[in-house]
Amino acid sequence: ELKVEQNPLFLSMQEGKNYTIYCNYSTTSDRLYWYRQDPGKSLESLFVLLSNGAVKQEGRLMASLDTKARLSTLHITAAVHDLSATYFCAPWGGYTNAGKSTFGDGTTLTVKP
Amino acid sequence: GAVVSQHPSRVICKSGTSVKIECRSLDFQATTMFWYRQFPKQSLMLMATSNEGSKATYEQGVEKDKFLINHASLTLSTLTVTSAHPEDSSFYICSASGVNYGYTFGSGTRLTVV
Repeated sequence: ELKVEQNPLFLSMQEGKNYTIYCNYSTTSDRLYWYRQDPGKSLESLFVLLSNGAVKQEGRLMASLDTKARLSTLHITAAVHDLSATYFCAPWGGYTNAGKSTFGDGTTLTVKP
Repeated sequence: GAVVSQHPSRVICKSGTSVKIECRSLDFQATTMFWYRQFPKQSLMLMATSNEGSKATYEQGVEKDKFLINHASLTLSTLTVTSAHPEDSSFYICSASGVNYGYTFGSGTRLTVV
């Protein structure tokens, strides 16, 4: 069974600061998703990382994947208030697992002025 | 891009009644649909996976007779919460996947059972 550990669970940052969210998972997965969720809303897709060493960047967010270490990171650069949200990582379980993804517990990010 | 429409967005129902939630893929054929449940300040919990024309596969601990899932076409899946009770109050989210498409989430349905 694929287990996902995300940390930290809560993160309070000041605007302009940098920080990294970590996502560790327990079994082999060669694809991983990052999502953003605003309060009361559904999930918004941020990144899909498809291979070992994959790195993707969008604005102040950059995600990477190390499949050998079973680790993905979401790096926040020069945080702004608009980035306040909950971020979920979700490693893919593969076709043998019906294409299911398992979600981490989420990291709730609060960016303060 | 891929769009998934989920309705209703909010529903309040009386205890003992049934509620149907629809999830439609608007511009692609969803070969697989996933139904999730999310309690406040918690992560998403997968309830079931459905493939078009097949019976849904439920996760352990999810009552299939209570949460009826139908995936009769490549663009529509429905989740019916039967004989709803207050403990069924939650945020229900569908996600659709198709060939050459990743996972697209619906906007969610907030169910309140009174």
